[in-house]
Amino acid sequence: GESVGLHLPTLSVQEGDNSIINCAYSNSASDYFIWYKQESGKGPQFIIDIRSNMDKRQGQRVTVLLNKTVKHLSLQIAATQPGDSAVYFCAEMGYGGATNKLIFGTGTLLAVQP
Amino acid sequence: SAVISQKPSRDICQRGTSLTIQCQVDSQVTMMFWYRQQPGQSLTLIATANQGSEATYESGFVIDKFPISRPNLTFSTLTVSNMSPEDSSIYLCSARTGSREQYFGPGTRLTVT
Repeated sequence: GESVGLHLPTLSVQEGDNSIINCAYSNSASDYFIWYKQESGKGPQFIIDIRSNMDKRQGQRVTVLLNKTVKHLSLQIAATQPGDSAVYFCAEMGYGGATNKLIFGTGTLLAVQP
Repeated sequence: SAVISQKPSRDICQRGTSLTIQCQVDSQVTMMFWYRQQPGQSLTLIATANQGSEATYESGFVIDKFPISRPNLTFSTLTVSNMSPEDSSIYLCSARTGSREQYFGPGTRLTVT
């Protein structure tokens, strides 16, 4: 069935370095993607989204890249800070019918070392 | 964006009882959802809460166990009925805006003893 998976379950980076979190999706009908950050004891926080008519979108210190050819999504965090430590989820959504549900990946734990 | 609040934030309940979780959104949204998340795991969709009609449940979830109400565009409830220890989990309310952005509440941490 359709699924969204992450390549790395845990990512450890040094403070100040850039982080890259990867995600693979399998449903070619998905046309909208969201990255969430979930800190311990909290609900998922919307970080950034991207639609399938775009390859790249930038936010504050974050960039999402979408490669539809290989069905790959990545989240880049610049100058990673201790406050970035959290679990990051990618999620995909199609348009209409059964694909109109947000499907989550398995999550990547980002650990920022001081 | 949408700001979502949930009540209660956590509860410890006895086996066989029921708990109703409330979800309030600060603005009118197109769709509301309920998810479950086991500690350390990803999110699983329970159902879509439809305004004025019966909720749409995902495979493995049934209305008798998880009755849902959505009386208006900004409020929904999820009841976990006849609870067992296997129902111990985090329950999350979610809302989608017209632009398809989807936001989550802080979650309700349920422990069933």
